Amino acid sequence: DGGITQSPKYLFRKEGQNVTLSCEQNLNHDAMYWYRQDPGQGLRLIYYSQIVNDFQKGDIAEGYSVSREKKESFPLTVTSAQKNPTAFYLCASSAGTETSYEQYFGPGTRLTVT
Amino acid sequence: GNSVTQMEGPVTLSEEAFLTINCTYTATGYPSLFWYVQYPGEGLQLLLKATKADDKGSNKGFEATYRKETTSFHLEKGSVQVSDSAVYFCALSDAMIKAAGNKLTFGGGTRVLVKP
Repeated sequence: DGGITQSPKYLFRKEGQNVTLSCEQNLNHDAMYWYRQDPGQGLRLIYYSQIVNDFQKGDIAEGYSVSREKKESFPLTVTSAQKNPTAFYLCASSAGTETSYEQYFGPGTRLTVT
Repeated sequence: GNSVTQMEGPVTLSEEAFLTINCTYTATGYPSLFWYVQYPGEGLQLLLKATKADDKGSNKGFEATYRKETTSFHLEKGSVQVSDSAVYFCALSDAMIKAAGNKLTFGGGTRVLVKP
């Protein structure tokens, strides 16, 4: 079955450590996205990528980094510079064509930093 | 810039009641509109979409009509079930802004709780 996988589902880290969240898709989608969701809040865009080896900052990119070396993969690194890293992180992908704008989401990773 | 405004929740209903969640938007160009649903602890699932004015999206008993004159895309369901308890997000994608790719702008979400 095609879809988006994020691992792990729960992640715990100590303050000051960098941590990388995995996102893989087998939908053959060109575009991929990372969002952050805080309790009771909507989604905020961190980074997005329209094609391999290219990505753009979203609304809250500070303290995060990404790479897009393969079409299927878009890992997100939460660095120690991110002041409030504890959140639910969602990865999404879309076909990125002129007629298909919907995004498909993974199950999310809940990151807790203490 | 683009924005989406949803009614604040939580919305608490009894089973078989009628559900309406209001959504209005501000956008340049001709956006596509979406409703997503998020069950506890999970990612978002696309519920329905509409890509042009007067289109009606429907899925699993939910409906929403793209109203350009009122810039609205209200979600409705005639008879809710306990299993419809979730958070619902309205979103838009502005097809005219090619430089922005197909980023989505989300509303803040509306929590719905259906009681037996």
